[in-house]
Parts: sequence; C-alpha cells; structure tokens
Amino acid sequence: DGGITQSPKYLFRKEGQNVTLSCEQNLNHDAMYWYRQDPGQGLRLIYYSQIVNDFQKGDIAEGYSVSREKKESFPLTVTSAQKNPTAFYLCASSTGRWETQYFGPGTRLLVL
Amino acid sequence: GESVGLHLPTLSVQEGDNSIINCAYSNSASDYFIWYKQESGKGPQFIIDIRSNMDKRQGQRVTVLLNKTVKHLSLQIAATQPGDSAVYFCAENMESGGGNKLTFGTGTQLKVEL
Repeated sequence: DGGITQSPKYLFRKEGQNVTLSCEQNLNHDAMYWYRQDPGQGLRLIYYSQIVNDFQKGDIAEGYSVSREKKESFPLTVTSAQKNPTAFYLCASSTGRWETQYFGPGTRLLVL
Repeated sequence: GESVGLHLPTLSVQEGDNSIINCAYSNSASDYFIWYKQESGKGPQFIIDIRSNMDKRQGQRVTVLLNKTVKHLSLQIAATQPGDSAVYFCAENMESGGGNKLTFGTGTQLKVEL
C-alpha cells in the first residue's frame, strides 16, 4: 500500500524543547517537502529536498532543521528557536522538483 | 509580489448542483496548476492538474478550466455531493529565485447543503 505517512498525528511540545516530526514515503519519489499550515493561510514552505543528502531552505526555515539520509525519510525538527510552533505540519513528495506533490495526513503540533 | 488568490472564501451549494471554485493568478509565466481538496484535519488530496498548453482538462466529475488571457483558473464539480464538502485550493508552479516553486492559495471552503 503506497503512500506517505506522518507521525505522530498530534505532538505536544514544552517550552525550550526540540521535537521531531516523522515523514516516510514508499512512492520512490526523489523530492520531499515540509509545509506549515496556519488557519486561514496557504501552505508555507519550510524546507525541501530534491535528492538524498541534499536539502534547501524554503520561505520560513528559521527555527526548523531537516535531514535526508534516506530517500524514503525526511524528518523535520522543530527547535526551541521557533517561537510560534503551533500549527499543522504537512509533508509531501513528488517524482521531481515541483512536479505534482502528494501529501501525508499531517501532524498537529501544540505547545504546552 | 506574485500570488495565487481565490475569489470567495466560502461557497455553499445544494446537493446535486454543480460547483465552481475560482482561482486567480498573476504570473503569466506559470506553466502548471494543481487543484487540491483538503478535509478537516487531513492532508491535501490531489484532484486534478493542468499545464499551460491546455485550456481544459476533465476528470471524474471534475473539470479544470484555464484562461491564460485573464490569468484565471476554475474547478468545476458536477453533481456536488456531501462528501465534496472540504477546502479546495489551487497551486501554481512559478519561477522564483532562479528556480521553480509551487505557491498555494489560501483555499475556498465548499459547503454542500442537503
């Protein structure tokens, strides 16, 4: 059953804590992306990766970090430097850069 | 700056009627457009796409129309069903900083009334 999975579905972060959101795909896609979605706003690009061991900052990368050690996985870390982390985080993948992107189910991050 | 916008934030239609969701874009160099459906609490789901060398593309119960003259994109849903209730947004592939990127609109909430 091919697709994109994200975990956890809900994540709670304490002040000063780093948290990592998981994104896995078995679609054999080269490109992967992380977006942030806030109520009433469009998706904003955090980071993207076109190939393994390579990634680029998106429009709102400050306070976030990523890694791409495997083609299937693109985890996102929300660091303590991100002062307003509460949002719905979406991971996507595509066969090539900026081709049709397919999304995972999302992770909702809340701050305690 | 360049942006993708939607004319109406909320659209209410009767079950069985046709729905039309609109999207305006400002970058005439954009060459690829995608429509997504997002249900509450879920990730966006691909519906249909269209490239700039086409004016119309049809899927199952959905049709996308592209008018490059006025930079307008629309999604038509035939015989709207309660399961179509969701937020719909378009995405535009446009040049940015020497490369390409997808820019997403804020979305239109479609409400289907029984």
